Amino acid sequence: EPEVTQTPSHQVTQMGQEVILRCVPISNHLYFYWYRQILGQKVEFLVSFYNNEISEKSEIFDDQFSVERPDGSNFTLKIRSTKLEDSAMYFCASRTTDTQYFGPGTRLTVL
Amino acid sequence: QKEVEQNSGPLSVPEGAIASLNCTYSDRVSQSFFWYRQYSGKSPELIMSIYSNGDKEDGRFTAQLNKASQYVSLLIRDSQPSDSATYLCAVSETSYDKVIFGPGTSLSVIP
Repeated sequence: EPEVTQTPSHQVTQMGQEVILRCVPISNHLYFYWYRQILGQKVEFLVSFYNNEISEKSEIFDDQFSVERPDGSNFTLKIRSTKLEDSAMYFCASRTTDTQYFGPGTRLTVL
Repeated sequence: QKEVEQNSGPLSVPEGAIASLNCTYSDRVSQSFFWYRQYSGKSPELIMSIYSNGDKEDGRFTAQLNKASQYVSLLIRDSQPSDSATYLCAVSETSYDKVIFGPGTSLSVIP
């Protein structure tokens, strides 16, 4: 069964450093999303992406965040200058017409 | 602000019993409703989706939707210890929209 994959599974970085989280959505999906989940809190929407552009973003998704689909398969989330409060699980998702499938997540730890 | 509310639990049921999980949502235009299961440290896993009023059954799981009351529920029959997880209610405005998650209900099935 096709699945969304994410790398790395765990990323440790120093505050102020840039990180890039990578995702490979399911191949025939056209809608892509990033969510995050701070430990003990609910899953929060960050950004949706369709047709090579952002279709919606949340208040969390400020100028420090960017997304890109550099080729036909990868979908990346970049955080330019990480803060302690960026520590969370980051989930990529892709969607068919009625079902959103989540990747396994990247645990980001900012020290 | 679109909200999805759930009882945080924990909900404890004995093995073999029926577990009942409830959810309310604030956005009347929501059209798609989902139940995800999330094990600790893992990504959300889709259990059920429901789009029209009434019941939808899939194996031991039954989702119920009442749009007039803005209420969604999930029943798990013959609960098993492996069902112990956090159950996330989620809603989406359209087929391609972001998914808004509730805080989750922690379920513990006691052998």
